[in-house]
Amino acid sequence: NAGVTQTPKFQVLKTGQSMTLQCAQDMNHEYMSWYRQDPGMGLRLIHYSVGAGITDQGEVPNGYNVSRSTTEDFPLRLLSAAPSQTSVYFCASSYVGGYGQNTEAFFGQGTRLTVV
Amino acid sequence: GEDVEQSLFLSVREGDSSVINCTYTDSSSTYLYWYKQEPGAGLQLLTYIFSNMDMKQDQRLTVLLNKKDKHLSLRIADTQTGDSAIYFCAEKKSGGGADGLTFGKGTHLIIQP
Repeated sequence: NAGVTQTPKFQVLKTGQSMTLQCAQDMNHEYMSWYRQDPGMGLRLIHYSVGAGITDQGEVPNGYNVSRSTTEDFPLRLLSAAPSQTSVYFCASSYVGGYGQNTEAFFGQGTRLTVV
Repeated sequence: GEDVEQSLFLSVREGDSSVINCTYTDSSSTYLYWYKQEPGAGLQLLTYIFSNMDMKQDQRLTVLLNKKDKHLSLRIADTQTGDSAIYFCAEKKSGGGADGLTFGKGTHLIIQP
């Protein structure tokens, strides 16, 4: 199993450009989510999905779009990149689970994005 | 206030024990996790504890949970240079969020020779 795979690992964008960060998992997890990590801010949830065709906003969704057409893939789109979106982006996946069930989140290696 | 709070930095000498502390606010949290992030890498699950447990030990790692005070700690015995990383505390709430996890801001563990 590859786990959670993110591409690209590094990216530099100019202000106003758009791009898609890719995330794929091969564990048949229902849940997938995108976080951004900024110094001193920890991890903040951008968007998440509870299954194919279902997405919802997290804590910091502005400037980002997502879609979930398959269980495996959960791409994150930056519509018009801004310097404030310079960050490290992590994709994670997990089983749904229920009360009392451990649902460990598996993380990708991250995409380091710089917007100039 | 923040859902999950941690100190940002902890400095220890190699060979000593490290104790990283975390407080959380949601008493309905079912699982509490410790994730480790090495430089330039993603987060990896280090250990976890179910909310009906007080303690969990796994080799050099000891997790203590005080539900009354909503306090979680991670003790690393015989700290090594390879333990240098950011440690994130996370709580799994009974509802909300894709994986229901709320993370602290992370504690940078710095190892002095």
